[in-house]
Amino acid sequence: AQSVTQLGSHVSVSEGALVLLRCNYSSSVPPYLFWYVQYPNQGLQLLLKYTSAATLVKGINGFEAEFKKSETSFHLTKPSAHMSDAAEYFCAVSAGYSGGGADGLTFGKGTHLIIQP
Amino acid sequence: NAGVTQTPKFQVLKTGQSMTLQCAQDMNHEYMSWYRQDPGMGLRLIHYSVGAGITDQGEVPNGYNVSRSTTEDFPLRLLSAAPSQTSVYFCASSYSPTNTGELFFGEGSRLTVL
Repeated sequence: AQSVTQLGSHVSVSEGALVLLRCNYSSSVPPYLFWYVQYPNQGLQLLLKYTSAATLVKGINGFEAEFKKSETSFHLTKPSAHMSDAAEYFCAVSAGYSGGGADGLTFGKGTHLIIQP
Repeated sequence: NAGVTQTPKFQVLKTGQSMTLQCAQDMNHEYMSWYRQDPGMGLRLIHYSVGAGITDQGEVPNGYNVSRSTTEDFPLRLLSAAPSQTSVYFCASSYSPTNTGELFFGEGSRLTVL
């Protein structure tokens, strides 16, 4: 079984400041890791994913995340926050085998990112 | 460029009523799934399918049924609605049946059970 913990249900940063959203995971096998973003009243869209090719993963809209096996972490960062980054962010982990099930793709509870002008 | 289409977007039911949430995708994805999203709970998997004729339960399947007669459609049925099923429901599909690829989400169906 795998699980995801996102630290902080709400994170507030000033426009132009560094964005850091924390995600720790547990998995009994090498994981596949994802960050999704959800804008108000919309579905989720993929920001980036880690599939063991490189530990530093670059995504859309200037976001990136670093896989650290020793810390079981996959934190999301962006050097300079924009007002348009205000949204809900979800970290997710997959064991990568066939079927969803309860051990398929597991989402964290989400972090609401607030951008202050 | 439709992607994943969910209907209806909003629905109000009375306790005990039944209804079907529709989901259709035009990307020829084999994997389809239903999630519910509740405040502070993230997304929880209800049911999923890895191809036509194949369905299985996720984390929270009780009170819901699914079927997959075609690759494109994956309806979710609420058999006898309860207030605990008030939620936002998302259908998602993927080209990867092994959960290693991107999930494509619909815009959601907001259900209120009175």
